[in-house]
Amino acid sequence: QLQMQESGPGLVKPSEILSLTCTVSGGSITSGPYFWDWIRQPPGKGLEWIGGMHYSGATSYNTSLESRVTISVDTSKNQLSLKLRSVTAADTAVYYCARRCCYFDSGSRPNWFDPWGQGTLVTVSS
Amino acid sequence: QSALTQPRSVSGSPGQPVTISCTGTSSDFGGSVYVSWYQQHPGKAPTLIIYDITVRPSGVPDRFSGSKSGNTASLTISGLQAEDEADYYCCSYAGSYTVVFGGGTRLTVL
Repeated sequence: QLQMQESGPGLVKPSEILSLTCTVSGGSITSGPYFWDWIRQPPGKGLEWIGGMHYSGATSYNTSLESRVTISVDTSKNQLSLKLRSVTAADTAVYYCARRCCYFDSGSRPNWFDPWGQGTLVTVSS
Repeated sequence: QSALTQPRSVSGSPGQPVTISCTGTSSDFGGSVYVSWYQQHPGKAPTLIIYDITVRPSGVPDRFSGSKSGNTASLTISGLQAEDEADYYCCSYAGSYTVVFGGGTRLTVL
């Protein structure tokens, strides 16, 4: 059974870079028709999709965050990573990684998430 | 991408049905079948309960069902149970490999 686990600093200073890693176990990040995504949830608020990518390189980002976000995969470590630059208090949230189905070719519409990691809280504060 | 519109809260008594709506624009839904629903209990990660508008993943009780009419998708829970009290989110494909979530609905079982 595929599992996903987020890791990284729980506290980041304003204007710095938020960096998180998601380790995938029980399956390969290069197998199957999947995007590998990041989603966040500010305390007491709803879900916000950040972006995701297929190991082949196809990538997509939320237009509201695109200028500050980079998502990448390390196939040798079976990991997904997130970098969010120039953070502010508004970036304080629980960050989830999740697998998104299904991407077969350029005409595909990957749209549903399963499974999700347990989430990690990142607080932006000096 | 702007969030899909969901009611902030709904409630129902045990055994009764409840429906949660999710409304978007034609560009959000794209006339497509690519709508999914997630259940989130407090302090937990969301879990998938419906995808492709109507499909229940293995293990999801059949009291959960989905539908769509025009630009509104709906999640219906027939025969509410206490453990169904949670937050529910819809999600839709929004083009160019992007997705958009609804604002979420808090379901209270009376």
